[in-house]
Amino acid sequence: QKEVEQNSGPLSVPEGAIASLNCTYSDRVSQSFFWYRQYSGKSPELIMSIYSNGDKEDGRFTAQLNKASQYVSLLIRDSQPSDSATYLCAVSDSTLGRLYFGRGTQLTVWP
Amino acid sequence: GAVVSQHPSRVICKSGTSVKIECRSLDFQATTMFWYRQFPKQSLMLMATSNEGSKATYEQGVEKDKFLINHASLTLSTLTVTSAHPEDSSFYICSASSRGSLREQFFGPGTRLTVL
Repeated sequence: QKEVEQNSGPLSVPEGAIASLNCTYSDRVSQSFFWYRQYSGKSPELIMSIYSNGDKEDGRFTAQLNKASQYVSLLIRDSQPSDSATYLCAVSDSTLGRLYFGRGTQLTVWP
Repeated sequence: GAVVSQHPSRVICKSGTSVKIECRSLDFQATTMFWYRQFPKQSLMLMATSNEGSKATYEQGVEKDKFLINHASLTLSTLTVTSAHPEDSSFYICSASSRGSLREQFFGPGTRLTVL
């Protein structure tokens, strides 16, 4: 059984700050890693995917992957109140394609 | 990202009735679709995985005779909740992925089911 752990939060940061979200996973053969954002009452929205070690940047978002440490993170720069949501870390079973989700970290960005 | 639609977005029904939820991939061919359920304040729970043209694979504890899944085409999967009861009230979300190694899943907007 694959396990995905996220820092429990909730995380609260002021507007303009950097929000750091962390995730660890148990299965060394995992190949694909994703961050989803879920607003209250809505379905998850894919915001980042990362497949190789290192950093991947997309606008204000940077995903970092370290397969040796089995660790993936998401940094949100210049946080905005509209970033307030629950962020879900997901790891893919490359054989079956299913995702294993962490419990999510609730982020609040206050003005 | 790819677009996935779900219909209906919200449904209220009486106990004992059946409810069908449709999931469509609008701009890509979804070789695999997934059905999730989410209760308030909880994370997503995978119910089943369906591949086009074959029977769905259900997760442990999910009754396949109660939650009927059909994936008849590369753009459409349906979930039918049979003889719904109040404890089936939940947020049902589908996702779709296409053939290939990236395995990104794109989620539909979800269907909120309330069983009275």
